[in-house]
Amino acid sequence: KAGVTQTPRYLIKTRGQQVTLSCSPISGHRSVSWYQQTPGQGLQFLFEYFSETQRNKGNFPGRFSGRQFSNSRSEMNVSTLELGDSALYLCASSLGLGQRNYGYTFGSGTRLTVV
Amino acid sequence: GEDVEQSLFLSVREGDSSVINCTYTDSSSTYLYWYKQEPGAGLQLLTYIFSNMDMKQDQRLTVLLNKKDKHLSLRIADTQTGDSAIYFCAEIVPLDDKIIFGKGTRLHILP
Repeated sequence: KAGVTQTPRYLIKTRGQQVTLSCSPISGHRSVSWYQQTPGQGLQFLFEYFSETQRNKGNFPGRFSGRQFSNSRSEMNVSTLELGDSALYLCASSLGLGQRNYGYTFGSGTRLTVV
Repeated sequence: GEDVEQSLFLSVREGDSSVINCTYTDSSSTYLYWYKQEPGAGLQLLTYIFSNMDMKQDQRLTVLLNKKDKHLSLRIADTQTGDSAIYFCAEIVPLDDKIIFGKGTRLHILP
């Protein structure tokens, strides 16, 4: 079955712009989580969506937002981009609540560069 | 607080065993995971262990869990060049059902 699909793979944006990243989870997975990966900070949890509702949120400013659609696809949006937002953004899907024994399945990520 | 600690680098000769260590903080964690990330790719789940187990073996991989010391290790037997990657340890935080990752250990294989 198809894996987790993230689009686009690469993005270059200018400071002050906004960006939307997309994630399509594995068919049947209802939970989608987003992580920011940088060399210095490692994997930082952004938020998790389950059945179109945000369940968990990490410690990121309000410029970072997300949503989930009825087909479980998710988008994350970053407004007023800053240089420090340059990172690999990873999406991970899982079956859902209380089914963590299989962990997450990750997409290949979207590499965002802010110039 | 939530924190997962790993050493950042490990160098091992091809054919030797690699042991990657991790400490976690939440003693109520139910599942602990090892993920592998190759260059340009996302994270791939290698294996997981349930908290009531001490050991889990899967082909060349052996996971050891010491709950008393909150210490998790991943042993890779007969390390190959294809094992060169970053390995992430992760735990579930049961309170909010969230998975927390360590910063990753970069495994370098020496010829």
